[in-house]
Amino acid sequence: ETGVTQTPRHLVMGMTNKKSLKCEQHLGHNAMYWYKQSAKKPLELMFVYNFKEQTENNSVPSRFSPECPNSSHLFLHLHTLQPEDSALYLCASSEASGSVGEQFFGPGTRLTVL
Amino acid sequence: AQSVTQPDIHITVSEGASLELRCNYSYGATPYLFWYVQSPGQGLQLLLKYFSGDTLVQGIKGFEAEFKRSQSSFNLRKPSVHWSDAAEYFCAVGNSGGSNYKLTFGKGTLLTVNP
Repeated sequence: ETGVTQTPRHLVMGMTNKKSLKCEQHLGHNAMYWYKQSAKKPLELMFVYNFKEQTENNSVPSRFSPECPNSSHLFLHLHTLQPEDSALYLCASSEASGSVGEQFFGPGTRLTVL
Repeated sequence: AQSVTQPDIHITVSEGASLELRCNYSYGATPYLFWYVQSPGQGLQLLLKYFSGDTLVQGIKGFEAEFKRSQSSFNLRKPSVHWSDAAEYFCAVGNSGGSNYKLTFGKGTLLTVNP
């Protein structure tokens, strides 16, 4: 595997379900990000992790719970979601969150909440 | 706070025609600027970036962009569009200070290419 991978690619869940999104980066980076991409809206930064520590929570509802066990893996645990949470969730990584540079994106997980 | 405006939501061009996608940014200091492309069902791929130096930057797939400080613009251009260029294009600006370096994205421009 190369770059940034995300699983699953598609997820349909009910409002009472609990599910998790997984992201893995194979680039040796130290920072990882979760973004939400909704139709007709700019990408919304949700969380930032730098060297496994959360450095940003962009006022995200508590029904989204991130976890970063190491610099290569990032999870987004989902519970009691709402239909408006349906979106494409993108993971990204970069060398470090304080370093100027590009972010590398995964293909995303298309989430549908029924 | 930084912001990015992409004035064109949707652009249609014919294959072989030239292309220019507009991007205007708002940022108090020297910006770090990016263009990303997203094909259907895919993540974002970096086309090119500007940090400093030559204001005309070359990217992948034959794209280029020009940074114009006086106009706060970073427009993306391609002299001859191919059908495979149909995708959504995002301009982004990065801040250069603070503990978290952040990218702020525009809403994107959807490019349709007619045969």
